[in-house]
Amino acid sequence: QVQLVESGGGLVKPGGSLRLSCAASGFTFSDYYMTWIRQAPGKGLEFLSYIGNGADTIIYADSVKGRFTISRDNAGNSLFLQMNSLSAEDTAIYYCAKSPRLLDYWGQGTLVTVSS
Amino acid sequence: DVVLTQSPLSLPVTLGQPASISCRSSQSLVYGDGNTYLNWFQQRPGQSPRRLIYKVSNRDSGVPDRFSGSGSGTEFTLKISRVETEDVGVYYCMQGTHWPFTFGPGTKVEIK
Repeated sequence: QVQLVESGGGLVKPGGSLRLSCAASGFTFSDYYMTWIRQAPGKGLEFLSYIGNGADTIIYADSVKGRFTISRDNAGNSLFLQMNSLSAEDTAIYYCAKSPRLLDYWGQGTLVTVSS
Repeated sequence: DVVLTQSPLSLPVTLGQPASISCRSSQSLVYGDGNTYLNWFQQRPGQSPRRLIYKVSNRDSGVPDRFSGSGSGTEFTLKISRVETEDVGVYYCMQGTHWPFTFGPGTKVEIK
């Protein structure tokens, strides 16, 4: 069965960096576009970025452009999100999900808290 | 950005009664490939969102048939024919046609 497991969240100071990972299993990872979505506490859902199956297509939302970098390792079935210059507004649960237009599978999320 | 407007935002329902959620888009959601990428998600308390309906009206495997989706262009509806206790949660519509893909604000379904 399809599984997506995020890791790498935690407490970070404003201006700091964090790298999130998403381990995929149960499907042919290299065949699918992947995406990162976040949900601030008690708030709605926001798309951050997506990456093509061969990493040839990479798109960012304006809110994270220039600060976040999405990447993938198809050999290791993993998706990543490098987050720099973090601020309190980035505090959220971060989800990886499969197939950005359809979001058929989601991970359980990893919590990122930006606070001094 | 495409704005999705959901109504109502709060929906108290009696067990066994029907429920309906509207999702209106600020732009047509028909994509160049002919598909309409309007999906519905359920988020139960403390859980990740779970997809219920994709491309307007296709129910996901394992989703009870009391859930149905309909609509076209800019107006869409999620219906629950008979609400059960397990349906409590927040329901989101989401469009995957125009980047940035966006979600509606969510509709909180609770039992009266």
